[in-house]
Amino acid sequence: DTEVTQTPKHLVMGMTNKKSLKCEQHMGHRAMYWYKQKAKKPPELMFVYSYEKLSINESVPSRFSPECPNSSLLNLHLHALQPEDSALYLCASSQERWHDGNIQYFGAGTRLSVL
Amino acid sequence: AQRVTQPEKLLSVFKGAPVELKCNYSYSGSPELFWYVQYSRQRLQLLLRHISRESIKGFTADLNKGETSFHLKKPFAQEEDSAMYYCARTDNYGQNFVFGPGTRLSVLP
Repeated sequence: DTEVTQTPKHLVMGMTNKKSLKCEQHMGHRAMYWYKQKAKKPPELMFVYSYEKLSINESVPSRFSPECPNSSLLNLHLHALQPEDSALYLCASSQERWHDGNIQYFGAGTRLSVL
Repeated sequence: AQRVTQPEKLLSVFKGAPVELKCNYSYSGSPELFWYVQYSRQRLQLLLRHISRESIKGFTADLNKGETSFHLKKPFAQEEDSAMYYCARTDNYGQNFVFGPGTRLSVLP
């Protein structure tokens, strides 16, 4: 299994809702990442988990809350989002963190719309 | 700030023509450089990384530290090469990973 699986594929939520995005990989990778990608823009790094510990938070607002329950799973909990948070959210994983040229494998993404 | 620039938003070439997608990066020690590609309706995937010095799908990229460039080249473009190409880099401490703005390559028949 060489895939990173993200669910749901699409999500529409109101500004008062609480929802979660899920990411799963079974490649034995120890680093997992969340990216945000707006239309016609490159992915922007949000969070990095290494060995199930948060190692990088790129100054992301607290309405986004990551969680890594185990080495195969990565969640992104969403609460009180704004319409400008509408974007494609990508999850990725790599054997180790990206140094030494470790390849990141990307999921297909969750397209989020905040109304 | 670590930066990656790709000067062309869109590059159109005819099938069989050579193609070069430009990438320049801000200098900071010994970065690691990558090219990622996203074909239509597919997920983002790695194409090349500079430490491997490999050729994938006929593409090559050479790291030029003097010019701080990592241009992607292919001698004969194919229609199936049409995609969005992102150059990306880490810093030398592996603390940061940044994508360039991307170049959309369109190979015309």
